[in-house]
Amino acid sequence: NAGVTQTPKFQVLKTGQSMTLQCAQDMNHNSMYWYRQDPGMGLRLIYYSASEGTTDKGEVPNGYNVSRLNKREFSLRLESAAPSQTSVYFCASSEEISTQYFGPGTRLLVL
Amino acid sequence: AQSVTQLGSHVSVSEGALVLLRCNYSSSVPPYLFWYVQYPNQGLQLLLKYTTGATLVKGINGFEAEFKKSETSFHLTKPSAHMSDAAEYFCAVSAYSGGSNYKLTFGKGTLLTVNP
Repeated sequence: NAGVTQTPKFQVLKTGQSMTLQCAQDMNHNSMYWYRQDPGMGLRLIYYSASEGTTDKGEVPNGYNVSRLNKREFSLRLESAAPSQTSVYFCASSEEISTQYFGPGTRLLVL
Repeated sequence: AQSVTQLGSHVSVSEGALVLLRCNYSSSVPPYLFWYVQYPNQGLQLLLKYTTGATLVKGINGFEAEFKKSETSFHLTKPSAHMSDAAEYFCAVSAYSGGSNYKLTFGKGTLLTVNP
């Protein structure tokens, strides 16, 4: 039982490049989330998916797209990376009321 | 809308001393409240949560928190700090967003350092 897994662990991009961050959970959870973490800002919600086939914007969705591929997988895409998107990205999933389980994170550096 | 304020971005204590990390929240509905811990270069791990019932909640690693509705607070405490408690701690409040899905709003975090 791996919980929530994320790939890659670390990525360096040039401005304007695109990439997809992958997330998978093996807990059969309905809801999945993408957050970004920046120093002194806590975690901010980018997008979430309440169930397979649905996605909704969070607090900071601009510059990102998501896909809920199936119940297990929820990907985050940066179409044209910008230096402001340098951050640590966390995926999370939940089933029971509110308790979210987090992956180990992806560190992204945009030059 | 929900919000969380963590008082003190950095708290430093001596090993064996009391740990007190402060969290105040605002919520238009009865809140669910959480404390998460993040060790360096890791994801967030749930320490404890309050949903309903007993207002004093016990979590892992000897931590506990008390929900005080009148003060809109959910402070985290541990009687005796250990070196392994050094980490960043996040308070969060949940907001119902339809169905069985709840969104979390996080505070900005408090970095706890423990001095030998």
